[in-house]
Amino acid sequence: SQQGEEDPQALSIQEGENATMNCSYKTSINNLQWYRQNSGRGLVHLILIRSNEREKHSGRLRVTLDTSKKSSSLLITASRAADTASYFCATETSGSRLTFGEGTQLTVNP
Amino acid sequence: ETGVTQTPRHLVMGMTNKKSLKCEQHLGHNAMYWYKQSAKKPLELMFVYNFKEQTENNSVPSRFSPECPNSSHLFLHLHTLQPEDSALYLCASSPRTRFTDTQYFGPGTRLTVL
Repeated sequence: SQQGEEDPQALSIQEGENATMNCSYKTSINNLQWYRQNSGRGLVHLILIRSNEREKHSGRLRVTLDTSKKSSSLLITASRAADTASYFCATETSGSRLTFGEGTQLTVNP
Repeated sequence: ETGVTQTPRHLVMGMTNKKSLKCEQHLGHNAMYWYKQSAKKPLELMFVYNFKEQTENNSVPSRFSPECPNSSHLFLHLHTLQPEDSALYLCASSPRTRFTDTQYFGPGTRLTVL
């Protein structure tokens, strides 16, 4: 099975609500990154959190990392219809590649 | 726009055709990547180039042949593909091949093999 696995696979919320997506991984990491992908487009980097960090903020995004549980969460506050996209976590392990999960499809309804 | 362009955006080809995908980055990066994105599967790294040299081939079948003439351009030559090769092919670049660097992705080429 892959290194990063997102949960849930799909999430549908109303505009203004918060959206939380989770990522679990199996091996020790140097850092974890979150990317966003609009339908049929390339991935856009959102935020990177290093293994010695526990929480990071960027605008309406909040990422947490729990290395003891090998998990991370991405919180989008006050969601907008434009936030509709797939969200991927990617893990970097020592001397290795970025490994992506299957993604969470987020739909924000107006 | 991320500064990484890919052409064509869509490609339909038969199994006996030969075609090429092109990627160009205008960011001054030294590392470039090819990824394959299939439905319901995680993004798969195919090739990594650093300063025009291939540094990683993730056990990709020989019907996919990459070429990197300089740090700004990356090609993926395709020949005798199979229907299961239909996917979105994404190019990315980063300042270096240290993956701590953020990767910048192009919009992708949607490939359909008939």
